[in-house]
Amino acid sequence: QKEVEQDPGPLSVPEGAIVSLNCTYSNSAFQYFMWYRQYSRKGPELLMYTYSSGNKEDGRFTAQVDKSSKYISLFIRDSQPSDSATYLCAMTNDYKLSFGAGTTVTVRA
Amino acid sequence: GAVVSQHPSWVICKSGTSVKIECRSLDFQATTMFWYRQFPKKSLMLMATSNEGSKATYEQGVEKDKFLINHASLTLSTLTVTSAHPEDSSFYICSAWISGRYNEQFFGPGTRLTVL
Repeated sequence: QKEVEQDPGPLSVPEGAIVSLNCTYSNSAFQYFMWYRQYSRKGPELLMYTYSSGNKEDGRFTAQVDKSSKYISLFIRDSQPSDSATYLCAMTNDYKLSFGAGTTVTVRA
Repeated sequence: GAVVSQHPSWVICKSGTSVKIECRSLDFQATTMFWYRQFPKKSLMLMATSNEGSKATYEQGVEKDKFLINHASLTLSTLTVTSAHPEDSSFYICSAWISGRYNEQFFGPGTRLTVL
């Protein structure tokens, strides 16, 4: 069993739709949770960073963490074609990050 | 702020040669840098943790003699792929951890290595 599971997709949505992404994990020691966005042939860019259960909102992005279920989510509201990218979840309990496989998202104009 | 650069962005080399990839933190000092490898449509795999002034710590299964890491200063870490072979072809990404900002890593743009 992988430490972090993420459906690789691909996920295709029309412009303006809500994009819903999620990851599950098995290591209950994870305390810090991140979402990264990666465009093709580029390095990952940090989108959201949370360290507790609950919701965190930043503009069109909302990150949710449910530690009891070992489940995290990222929602993108009013999706735009520029949101088309691969989204990776990552988590850690120290400084080494464990990544999900990444979900490729395409937002159709 | 928190910009990490990598050089080169793309390199092609012949089998048996060595290739050096540089990772620089441009506007901050990084005591710790990480090197990852990413295969197409796959996630990032941590190869090693590089600490300034000390030997790198390699993940299980990563050959330390093939992937030489040097972290000579607080702003520069290098990864040298020695005697490269086609199976070493991959996307190599570095990240830098800012001291005092726990668990926050900033990633470089990556280096695509193709070994012929």
